[in-house]
Amino acid sequence: AQTVTQSQPEMSVQEAETVTLSCTYDTSESDYYLFWYKQPPSRQMILVIRQEAYKQQNATENRFSVNFQKAAKSFSLKISDSQLGDAAMYFCAYRRGTGGDDKIIFGKGTRLHILP
Amino acid sequence: DAEITQSPRHKITETGRQVTLACHQTWNHNNMFWYRQDLGHGLRLIHYSYGVQDTNKGEVSDGYSVSRSNTEDLPLTLESAASSQTSVYFCASSEGTLNTGELFFGEGSRLTVL
Repeated sequence: AQTVTQSQPEMSVQEAETVTLSCTYDTSESDYYLFWYKQPPSRQMILVIRQEAYKQQNATENRFSVNFQKAAKSFSLKISDSQLGDAAMYFCAYRRGTGGDDKIIFGKGTRLHILP
Repeated sequence: DAEITQSPRHKITETGRQVTLACHQTWNHNNMFWYRQDLGHGLRLIHYSYGVQDTNKGEVSDGYSVSRSNTEDLPLTLESAASSQTSVYFCASSEGTLNTGELFFGEGSRLTVL
């Protein structure tokens, strides 16, 4: 069974600095998708970024980028120029790419604090 | 705009009572999912459906049931609520296999079982 592990329950970063959130996953599949979701205090889940496993190029969305290491099964999220609005719980998630299995498995989350 | 709505947003009930949490989406998505969120556990999948009349068990399905009679709705029922089912419940939907499968979430329902 696929698993997603986030080893950092909480992290803090100074405003305007850069922070990296770690995620590892376990799968025997070669085709899959990886996601980072953000959950601010409002509780609404928001997609931050996604990565297709067949793409070697790391995904980037403005200040958010990933470091996707397929062989190591690692998928870290880098937030540059951290802002107060980035304070949230961040979840790493995995989905198989084939076989009609569309369910998404989540890690336990990392709570990110932004220090002014 | 398309959306996914959950009701009620907050509910307090007593042990042993039946509770139903509603989920309605206007994305016309085939896939719908129910997760529960607990501190230290992240989001865990309860039940999911890939279309009308299709339902599947997730990793924490005991004590819960769902039914899918149309595309838009996937109600979650707790047959006999237990204190261990106190949690925040999220409904989500997605298009399906032929795309990235990004989930669109409702705003969550906080359930307290006394």
